[in-house]
Amino acid sequence: GQNIDQPTEMTATEGAIVQINCTYQTSGFNGLFWYQQHAGEAPTFLSYNVLDGLEEKGRFSSFLSRSKGYSYLLLKELQMKDSASYLCAVRQRGNSGYALNFGKGTSLLVTP
Amino acid sequence: GAVVSQHPSRVICKSGTSVKIECRSLDFQATTMFWYRQFPKQSLMLMATSNEGSKATYEQGVEKDKFLINHASLTLSTLTVTSAHPEDSSFYICSGAPLGGNYEQYFGPGTRLTVT
Repeated sequence: GQNIDQPTEMTATEGAIVQINCTYQTSGFNGLFWYQQHAGEAPTFLSYNVLDGLEEKGRFSSFLSRSKGYSYLLLKELQMKDSASYLCAVRQRGNSGYALNFGKGTSLLVTP
Repeated sequence: GAVVSQHPSRVICKSGTSVKIECRSLDFQATTMFWYRQFPKQSLMLMATSNEGSKATYEQGVEKDKFLINHASLTLSTLTVTSAHPEDSSFYICSGAPLGGNYEQYFGPGTRLTVT
């Protein structure tokens, strides 16, 4: 099993920067993913980290520290459409292959 | 990006009946497909992993005789909820991992199942 923890809710202002943290405890770690999910829709892929460090992709960046079991997603120049749930997911080697285990998600509200 | 479709998007059924949900990878071949379930305000929970041409692997606590999974081709996997009960009402989402791919899973739009 594994524990994946992330804040339940966050609020930020349009144009600002927000950091969403995720901590995990897992065996057979094989990568950490961030997904965005709007209500009633499927998750969409944002980023992937398997090595320590920062991965930047436009307005979104993700950081990983494997020794600390820690990751964060950084969203810059926030837009209203960024209001969504952000899911941290850990991929681990298991009997069924490389399955993803998700945290409960962080609901981000962007205000004007 | 790769596209995964699910059908139906919403279904309402009576308790005791069975419902089949289809998951198709439209522009890639998926050797592996995953089925997840998501209850309101909860995370996605992996139910099972299916590999084309072989039996699905179920996660602990998921009844394989109740949730029948078939992955008959590289582009189609089906989940059948048998003898559905109200507690099976949930959002069911599938994802596909491309043949020869590296790490990404592409998710379908989900199926909202309501059992009355």
